[in-house]
Amino acid sequence: EAQVTQNPRYLITVTGKKLTVTCSQNMNHEYMSWYRQDPGLGLRQIYYSMNVEVTDKGDVPEGYKVSRKEKRNFPLILESPSPNQTSLYFCASRSTGGANEKLFFGSGTQLSVL
Amino acid sequence: DAKTTQPTSMDCAEGRAANLPCNHSTISGNEYVYWYRQIHSQGPQYIIHGLKNNETNEMASLIITEDRKSSTLILPHATLRDTAVYYCIVRDLQGAQKLVFGQGTRLTINP
Repeated sequence: EAQVTQNPRYLITVTGKKLTVTCSQNMNHEYMSWYRQDPGLGLRQIYYSMNVEVTDKGDVPEGYKVSRKEKRNFPLILESPSPNQTSLYFCASRSTGGANEKLFFGSGTQLSVL
Repeated sequence: DAKTTQPTSMDCAEGRAANLPCNHSTISGNEYVYWYRQIHSQGPQYIIHGLKNNETNEMASLIITEDRKSSTLILPHATLRDTAVYYCIVRDLQGAQKLVFGQGTRLTINP
């Protein structure tokens, strides 16, 4: 089954403790992206990647890192989490090159930073 | 910034057609209209997209006006499981590598 898998689904941590949210897709998609969703602010893009070893900042990249060493994986790294990074996070992927570029989203990671 | 305007919320009776409008008056000639929906706090789900012709798939129909300044998503026989937030998005395939999600329309299907 074609899917984007995020882990963990829920995460509670403390300020300053490094964490990684994993994202994996099995559709051989070139493009992957991370969004965060906050009440009243909607979905905002954090980082995206057009292909392996190619990453770029979205609208709200501060405090986040990403890497794209393999096509299927696109982890989101919070080196020193802060309470304002408490949010619902979504990973997404799609193929590139054409109008039929549907974004497939993961199930989300609810992060709470205390 | 989102390039679309949608009503904040709508209600529809179960079994009836749900018609969700979207205004995109500044759309340019090479921008597509996409619709996604988000059920509760799940990941958004693709529904349909189009450029200028009306489109239909197993989930919905998309009607785009001739001047392309607005469109309507139609769920022909709404069920309770169609209760969700529906997002209308315009995107230039050659442009920014992101979809800008506005606030969407919260559709509630009532029994």
